[in-house]
Amino acid sequence: QSALTQPRSVSGSPGQSVAISCTGTSSDVGGYNYVSWYQQYPGKAPKVVIYDVSERPSGVPDRFSGSKSGNTASLTIAGLQAEDEADYYCCSYAGRFKLVFGGGTKVTVL
Amino acid sequence: EVQLVESGGDLVQPGGSLRLSCTASGFSFSNYEMVWVRQAPGKGLEWISYISGSGDSIYSADSVKGRFTISRDNAKNSLYLQMNSLRVDDTAVYYCARNGGGLGYWGQGTLVTVSS
Repeated sequence: QSALTQPRSVSGSPGQSVAISCTGTSSDVGGYNYVSWYQQYPGKAPKVVIYDVSERPSGVPDRFSGSKSGNTASLTIAGLQAEDEADYYCCSYAGRFKLVFGGGTKVTVL
Repeated sequence: EVQLVESGGDLVQPGGSLRLSCTASGFSFSNYEMVWVRQAPGKGLEWISYISGSGDSIYSADSVKGRFTISRDNAKNSLYLQMNSLRVDDTAVYYCARNGGGLGYWGQGTLVTVSS
């Protein structure tokens, strides 16, 4: 199973919006509505910010939103804040109880 | 409060074995599927193994199939990862995570270093 494709980095100024893409295939992203996104700070465990494509766990700011079109999912962070600077990983169900992650995207707040 | 605490990480020689544990608290452990995810130094996340709530269904990534075995003891609220025939490229932080709302809860991770 190949990793999902994410841009290595994205950046934006405070208050701007950034979007991170996550491209897979019809066997993972395109085949199931089970895409999740994780935020990870250096030296810390990942934390889910979006699950099931567009669901936001309680406690996650509504600045975070998710969507999917075909084989590509996206995470959008609106109104970027300094605390959003972190690594972000997408993850998709890939059938037969397998999960596949993206390579990760570093978000920099300028 | 949901808590997952991994233990068992260590320095081990290539070809050696190690067993990781993940102790759960704050929820009904047997009701949840669990996974192991690892992260090599400076690299991304890699799913390696899944187990159903009852333990009847298990699946592993090709990279560890035949070498790593996931298991659980619901009476002890514990998840395990038996790692055999370890290789240098198995060096990573190993996380256990609870499936539900995505991987909704993660442990803090335990470091496994495979080196001679």
